[in-house]
Amino acid sequence: EADIYQTPRYLVIGTGKKITLECSQTMGHDKMYWYQQDPGMELHLIHYSYGVNSTEKGDLSSESTVSRIRTEHFPLTLESARPSHTSQYLCASSERVQNTEAFFGQGTRLTVV
Amino acid sequence: GQQVMQIPQYQHVQEGEDFTTYCNSSTTLSNIQWYKQRPGGHPVFLIQLVKSGEVKKQKRLTFQFGEAKKNSSLHITATQTTDVGTYFCAGPPGGSYIPTFGRGTSLIVHP
Repeated sequence: EADIYQTPRYLVIGTGKKITLECSQTMGHDKMYWYQQDPGMELHLIHYSYGVNSTEKGDLSSESTVSRIRTEHFPLTLESARPSHTSQYLCASSERVQNTEAFFGQGTRLTVV
Repeated sequence: GQQVMQIPQYQHVQEGEDFTTYCNSSTTLSNIQWYKQRPGGHPVFLIQLVKSGEVKKQKRLTFQFGEAKKNSSLHITATQTTDVGTYFCAGPPGGSYIPTFGRGTSLIVHP
């Protein structure tokens, strides 16, 4: 069973609010990822990290930011939420070496009204 | 950049029929991974293929990696209602450590 946790599971928030989506893993994985997924659609990589103090932007342009101060923690922040940010956000992690599976959290379903 | 295409986007089958989804990459992949996402759930890893021409089986599921390492397929024999979900392929382009996901194929099994 994967030990990667996301909170909150569901969030409804007003336009203009600042929000932070939490992601924590207890597997000691170096690599962590954030994907954005609209219902029935593909996963778009928005941020990733190779380890502490490493953060990179993914393929999909995003107004969110991430930080990686601790190995186990990879929070995603939206400074000013907009309705276009409504989506599901999935956090994942994997070991440092290249050919290993990614473990996904349960996801956060964000609705911005 | 790399693109990973999956077809079909949706597939309706009667329970007991076979199902196949295809994954094609615009660039050579160092490996290919397959994931399953149940409705309302999160992707769960199924398998990874690394070698050119590799074939792996998991009970009723058969996975293949193309000789050129640019395509892959997942075949399910005699589908069951428990197979319902979206199947994603994911592969890092050669030299990359970050997997790119295909759009996925949603399988609907009618009892």
